[in-house]
Amino acid sequence: QQPVQSPQAVILREGEDAVINCSSSKALYSVHWYRQKHGEAPVFLMILLKGGEQKGHEKISASFNEKKQQSSLYLTASQLSYSGTYFCGTVLYGNKLVFGAGTILRVKS
Amino acid sequence: DTEVTQTPKHLVMGMTNKKSLKCEQHMGHRAMYWYKQKAKKPPELMFVYSYEKLSINESVPSRFSPECPNSSLLNLHLHALQPEDSALYLCASSQDWGLGNTEAFFGQGTRLTVV
Repeated sequence: QQPVQSPQAVILREGEDAVINCSSSKALYSVHWYRQKHGEAPVFLMILLKGGEQKGHEKISASFNEKKQQSSLYLTASQLSYSGTYFCGTVLYGNKLVFGAGTILRVKS
Repeated sequence: DTEVTQTPKHLVMGMTNKKSLKCEQHMGHRAMYWYKQKAKKPPELMFVYSYEKLSINESVPSRFSPECPNSSLLNLHLHALQPEDSALYLCASSQDWGLGNTEAFFGQGTRLTVV
C-alpha cells in the first residue's frame, strides 16, 4: 500500500528546478505532500483530490493523474529553505494516510 | 492556534518501565493520530481516533496502548518496551471528515529511547 517515490535524493543549486514523483498501485482518494526538516515535524504542503481540486501553499505546484494514480511535486527556483525530506502520502479511504519512503532534497548555494 | 503540542520532547525509559506520551490540540479537530518514525524512514501509522473512538489500529503490539480521554487530548501508554521501539513518535490531528480532503497537522514529536 505504500506509495513509491522517486528520486530518492536530489541535489540542486539555488534557483534550479526539481520534480518529485509519487505513484500508487491502488485507486487513490487523495495525495498529500509534506516536507520534514531534520528534527522537526512534517509540514503540510499540498493536497490533491480526485476530481482535480487542490489545496495548499501558493508557491507550491503539483499535479495528480487519476488514471495513472501518479502525482508530481514541482519545486521551481529552489531556495536554501527548500532543503529537507519530501514525503508524499496517499489516502485510499477515511483517515488512513500512508507515506512513501521520502525524497531527500538538498539545495546548495 | 494551529499547533499540536507533544510532551515530553525526549524520553529515556527502561524495558520494565511504564511511561506515557501526551498530545494536545485546540483546533477543534476530531481525528487524532499516532505515527512512529524511525531514522531516515517515513512516518508509519499506528493508531487513528475519530470522535474519541479508536477507528484504526495498524496491528500495533499491545505494549503500546492509546487513549483519547477527550477531543483535545491523545495519550500513548508505554509498557515493557523493547530497544527496537526507540523512535520518534509523532502525533497528528485533522478535521473530522477524513484525510481524503483535508491536511494533517503534526506535532514536533517525542524522541523515545528504550534502554
